[in-house]
Amino acid sequence: GQNIDQPTEMTATEGAIVQINCTYQTSGFNGLFWYQQHAGEAPTFLSYNVLDGLEEKGRFSSFLSRSKGYSYLLLKELQMKDSASYLCAAMDSNYQLIWGAGTKLIIKP
Amino acid sequence: DAMVIQNPRYQVTQFGKPVTLSCSQTLNHNVMYWYQQKSSQAPKLLFHYYDKDFNNEADTPDNFQSRRPNTSFCFLDIRSPGLGDAAMYLCATSRDRNGADTQYFGPGTRLTVL
Repeated sequence: GQNIDQPTEMTATEGAIVQINCTYQTSGFNGLFWYQQHAGEAPTFLSYNVLDGLEEKGRFSSFLSRSKGYSYLLLKELQMKDSASYLCAAMDSNYQLIWGAGTKLIIKP
Repeated sequence: DAMVIQNPRYQVTQFGKPVTLSCSQTLNHNVMYWYQQKSSQAPKLLFHYYDKDFNNEADTPDNFQSRRPNTSFCFLDIRSPGLGDAAMYLCATSRDRNGADTQYFGPGTRLTVL
């Protein structure tokens, strides 16, 4: 079957760095997406990886290892507004997104 | 600004009373999706349109229907809402169905069933 695993909840301190991990199993693979979702709001796109390696975009970076079925989202210089859920989604061979349940990130002052 | 718009943002209906949620987009994207998301759960794809081609997920209940009268608009009809249908309903669009085509979401409609 197809599956996405990511931690349910993480806590970090304002100004620190946090890494949110995601492992995936899909029928075929056409890329890995990260979305941010604030409570009660829609997901907003953060990053897309289809090749192995690290993609950096400001304070956020995303890493992919296709051989390991593994990705992480790295958030630097954490701000209180980064408190949100972070959803990992892998695209399968039919171009369908397989979604994780999200990691709720709590930022403490 | 180009965007995905959903109306209403909050919808309250009674058990068994039909309800229609709407989505419009100014992105001129070919693909429109409807997702159901319950609290602390992953979004669940109900169906999607690739242009006029309707694609229903195998486990989407018959209670859920959709219409896409033109490129810009897509509707979700819930024929007889049950208490279990209370959720956030998300509309998303993408330019195409290829790997790099990001899905852009509207703000969602939160449905309450009394």
